[in-house]
Amino acid sequence: EVQLVESGGGLVQPGRSLRLSCTASGFTFGDYAMSWVRQAPGKGLEWVGFIRSKAYGGTTEYAASVKGRFTISRDDSKSIAYLQMNSLKTEDTAVYYCTRIVATMFDYWGQGTLVTVSS
Amino acid sequence: SYVLTQPPSVSVAPGKTARITCGGNNIGSKSVHWYQQKPGQAPVLVIYYDSDRPSGIPERFSGSNSGNTATLTISRVEAGDEADYYCQVWDSSSDPWVFGGGTKLTVL
Repeated sequence: EVQLVESGGGLVQPGRSLRLSCTASGFTFGDYAMSWVRQAPGKGLEWVGFIRSKAYGGTTEYAASVKGRFTISRDDSKSIAYLQMNSLKTEDTAVYYCTRIVATMFDYWGQGTLVTVSS
Repeated sequence: SYVLTQPPSVSVAPGKTARITCGGNNIGSKSVHWYQQKPGQAPVLVIYYDSDRPSGIPERFSGSNSGNTATLTISRVEAGDEADYYCQVWDSSSDPWVFGGGTKLTVL
């Protein structure tokens, strides 16, 4: 059974940093691209960024709203994807979901972790 | 960047058919995926590649895509179908993964 479990969320002050983790199980993690999607309170879904599998270079792409501030990485030996968030803003407050990518879709989602940016 | 437009809400009586639309410029040339999100839960993929259903999704869920509109159809609606539904496409623009704004399905 595919499982994605996010961790690392919490309350953080504006301008500070936070790192989220996504621990995967039930599939060969290294074979898949992984993505982060967020949802602000009471709002819709917003794609944040993704990381390709090593077979496709392990490169990353980001939404314009987070580019230059957020970094996605992966450790295939531990089946973990990371989202490093720097220079956080109040508008980054959201539930952050880890997702598995297949072609152009997100076929599995984690339960999400809440990040609150507030002073 | 590419924009997907969904109605904010759709209401339907139990046992009837609900249709949720997703509008986009020439969306018929793209593959559309649909997600269901119940309150307090993560989204779940219910339709992919316009009309395919993942295993475990009831046959009551179907999809179509043509021209400038994609449609998610839920037949014989049940109370348990009440949720937010999001369409999603991939577009070769600045933010390639694009979601619609979501539609809240209310079962009367």
